[in-house]
Amino acid sequence: DAGITQSPRHKVTETGTPVTLRCHQTENHRYMYWYRQDPGHGLRLIHYSYGVKDTDKGEVSDGYSVSRSKTEDFLLTLESATSSQTSVYFCAISESGGTGANVLTFGAGSRLTVL
Amino acid sequence: GQNIDQPTEMTATEGAIVQINCTYQTSGFNGLFWYQQHAGEAPTFLSYNVLDGLEEKGRFSSFLSRSKGYSYLLLKELQMKDSASYLCANMDSNYQLIWGAGTKLIIKP
Repeated sequence: DAGITQSPRHKVTETGTPVTLRCHQTENHRYMYWYRQDPGHGLRLIHYSYGVKDTDKGEVSDGYSVSRSKTEDFLLTLESATSSQTSVYFCAISESGGTGANVLTFGAGSRLTVL
Repeated sequence: GQNIDQPTEMTATEGAIVQINCTYQTSGFNGLFWYQQHAGEAPTFLSYNVLDGLEEKGRFSSFLSRSKGYSYLLLKELQMKDSASYLCANMDSNYQLIWGAGTKLIIKP
């Protein structure tokens, strides 16, 4: 295994509740990413991190926040979940985010359902 | 934003060859990736092309034409385990990946 785990793997929650998804890596990779995957869409980047406390927005960042206080952990928070945030969320890591050969290793995914 | 297009679904026969095409906008190109994703699982890296031509890796090959904004993934000697979605992704000028929606490949005996 690549040493990247996501938790929880499945979660059902209600509209308006806060949700935090955790990504943990043991590879000491600098770059970490949160994507969402929905039918009919490609993977869409939510936020990414290029180091401890260094994060930036992706193309679909509204309604999401992230934190990275340690190299190994990258948290994704939905402050007030909405039904449109029902999705499968993938965390990914890479060694070389700023170069062409940026191969991503993905976690197993977290399936979130917002009722 | 950039568009990246690939067929939604393809069907092929076990033992045959299949070619999955991907087209992308050519501005700000920094590489073309292919990933494989089995149903309910994470995407896994297959190939990376940054120069024109064919890169062969066992039963899988990937081709790139930068001037045409075109890539394809060629799968030979298809096996049932090759049933999966194949994701094409273009790295843009900011080194961000732009993903296609994926091609679901169905292999029939």
